[in-house]
Amino acid sequence: GESVGLHLPTLSVQEGDNSIINCAYSNSASDYFIWYKQESGKGPQFIIDIRSNMDKRQGQRVTVLLNKTVKHLSLQIAATQPGDSAVYFCAEGTGGFKTIFGAGTRLFVKA
Amino acid sequence: DGGITQSPKYLFRKEGQNVTLSCEQNLNHDAMYWYRQDPGQGLRLIYYSQIVNDFQKGDIAEGYSVSREKKESFPLTVTSAQKNPTAFYLCASSYREGGTEAFFGQGTRLTVV
Repeated sequence: GESVGLHLPTLSVQEGDNSIINCAYSNSASDYFIWYKQESGKGPQFIIDIRSNMDKRQGQRVTVLLNKTVKHLSLQIAATQPGDSAVYFCAEGTGGFKTIFGAGTRLFVKA
Repeated sequence: DGGITQSPKYLFRKEGQNVTLSCEQNLNHDAMYWYRQDPGQGLRLIYYSQIVNDFQKGDIAEGYSVSREKKESFPLTVTSAQKNPTAFYLCASSYREGGTEAFFGQGTRLTVV
């Protein structure tokens, strides 16, 4: 069936370093991919999205890369800060209503 | 401030009881969603609604019911038919057309005692 998974459940980085969170997806028909950040006890917050006709998109301190050949998505966070500590979810969707979420990667930022 | 509000934050239910979780948004969004989150898992879609008086089952709708009588409100009832209701429930909303971004509430943690 369709699934969105993550390579690493936990990632630990030093403050100031760059973080890379990876995600594999299986539905080649997905129109869009999204990254969300979820802090403990809170709802997910939108970070950035990318359409299937793009391979890179940049935001503030974040970059999302899409490799459709190998069905891989990544989120790069530049100069990681303690406030970036959270669980990061990738998600994929088609048509806008049945977005499928991955299990999440927990990012720890060491001071 | 515009946003999406869920209440209560914590809810305890006895076995065999129905409970209703509230979700209200003032973002003028057409679409609203309910997700369930279990430890170590992603979000799973329970129900979604694209417009008032219309809603569709998601992937795990059994044991749940919803209504959409107003654009701003999308309450979720967890019925006694839901065999494993203990979870973190998240409500979200988005524009019906265009953009992918969904805005989430702060969640309701439901525990069966």
